[in-house]
Amino acid sequence: DADVTQTPRNRITKTGKRIMLECSQTKGHDRMYWYRQDPGLGLRLIYYSFDVKDINKGEISDGYSVSRQAQAKFSLSLESAIPNQTALYFCATSAVRGTAESDTQYFGPGTRLTVL
Amino acid sequence: SQKIEQNSEALNIQEGKTATLTCNYTNYSPAYLQWYRQDPGRGPVFLLLIRENEKEKRKERLKVTFDTTLKQSLFHITASQPADSATYLCALAGGTSYGKLTFGQGTILTVHP
Repeated sequence: DADVTQTPRNRITKTGKRIMLECSQTKGHDRMYWYRQDPGLGLRLIYYSFDVKDINKGEISDGYSVSRQAQAKFSLSLESAIPNQTALYFCATSAVRGTAESDTQYFGPGTRLTVL
Repeated sequence: SQKIEQNSEALNIQEGKTATLTCNYTNYSPAYLQWYRQDPGRGPVFLLLIRENEKEKRKERLKVTFDTTLKQSLFHITASQPADSATYLCALAGGTSYGKLTFGQGTILTVHP
């Protein structure tokens, strides 16, 4: 979905390096999410933010941190990358609960991260 | 702990047949359930949402059922086409988890001409 963009789309890095993945959205949504996807494990929630001042850990937040710079921007950082963080990372957005489309999430195209 | 399981990792069917995908959950009381489609190398795309008080939802060739007694959702694609080949994900939310989705591992559907 072009309304949610992620950069970079692909990244190869080495163990111990700091990596930042960026997400921007033009949908005007308040809620943003970061997921990782591994084969056979589906999508797992890393962090989520319901508004600019609200940051919450998901089920697998260890080794990750996030920053919500603005309503439209949500970044994911790996402070010291390790090989088992090799995965496909997705950013998603949703509207505030109570609107007609509030229960739907819109995903970016993903970032394929490889940690050597 | 909460668990969501999509019964088949892969499903192969012939064009024109009905594809039926299953999503089961345990230790969960979802307020709603969603189905997404994911093509290789792309992000999931929302297809349908069904709430706990709804038994069935339809959209064109798609139909979703939701049985909170069986803790199961069925996702049907009628008159399937090769273009329907993709991974299909179910996702649940509810209780204290409003706004957050928990995803199943996905079913890879392949429709053969």
